[in-house]
Amino acid sequence: GAVVSQHPSRVICKSGTSVKIECRSLDFQATTMFWYRQFPKQSLMLMATSNEGSKATYEQGVEKDKFLINHASLTLSTLTVTSAHPEDSSFYICSALNSGSPYNEQFFGPGTRLTVL
Amino acid sequence: GIQVEQSPPDLILQEGANSTLRCNFSDSVNNLQWFHQNPWGQLINLFYIPSGTKQNGRLSATTVATERYSLLYISSSQTTDSGVYFCAVPLSNAGKSTFGDGTTLTVKP
Repeated sequence: GAVVSQHPSRVICKSGTSVKIECRSLDFQATTMFWYRQFPKQSLMLMATSNEGSKATYEQGVEKDKFLINHASLTLSTLTVTSAHPEDSSFYICSALNSGSPYNEQFFGPGTRLTVL
Repeated sequence: GIQVEQSPPDLILQEGANSTLRCNFSDSVNNLQWFHQNPWGQLINLFYIPSGTKQNGRLSATTVATERYSLLYISSSQTTDSGVYFCAVPLSNAGKSTFGDGTTLTVKP
């Protein structure tokens, strides 16, 4: 149980294009999901909290118009990197909280490696 | 905000050895998680341990919430234990967490 998937696992795109990453909770419902970014040999940095049916909450320094988040259902959140540039190249990871559990235990997707040329 | 420090930053072991990883946090917490990030980037849940001790096979964890630290024990290490171990504590009641910088473990055959 508590499986989270991400798609795609790897994407290479040209500068200026937009890229959408999907995060799905496969066997539980998640009203709250999180998006992280991880640079090589560094820790995870929280970008935003994705809330089902409402606007995402962004961490300080994260541009909401650059990183669009949509959480339209209890099992799916999407992150769109708009007008991507080489500095957006990174490893993006999502996590989900099980709405049916009293514990705030996060379950992570396998990550998406984005390379912007 | 709450600060999380992990030690050691790097650890190299011979297969079969035991190790202890530490996570210190600067404020009281009501939950704490340990994760293993494998070489492909996947984070695997090891323990949800706000207090007390839990064991799962060769791994065990202890959190002493009153003293603001948690320990992860790995016994009889195997090469597949290699990777980065993170602890994470909550930033808010909304479930979001902050992560330590991790301990990179390399187990040599």
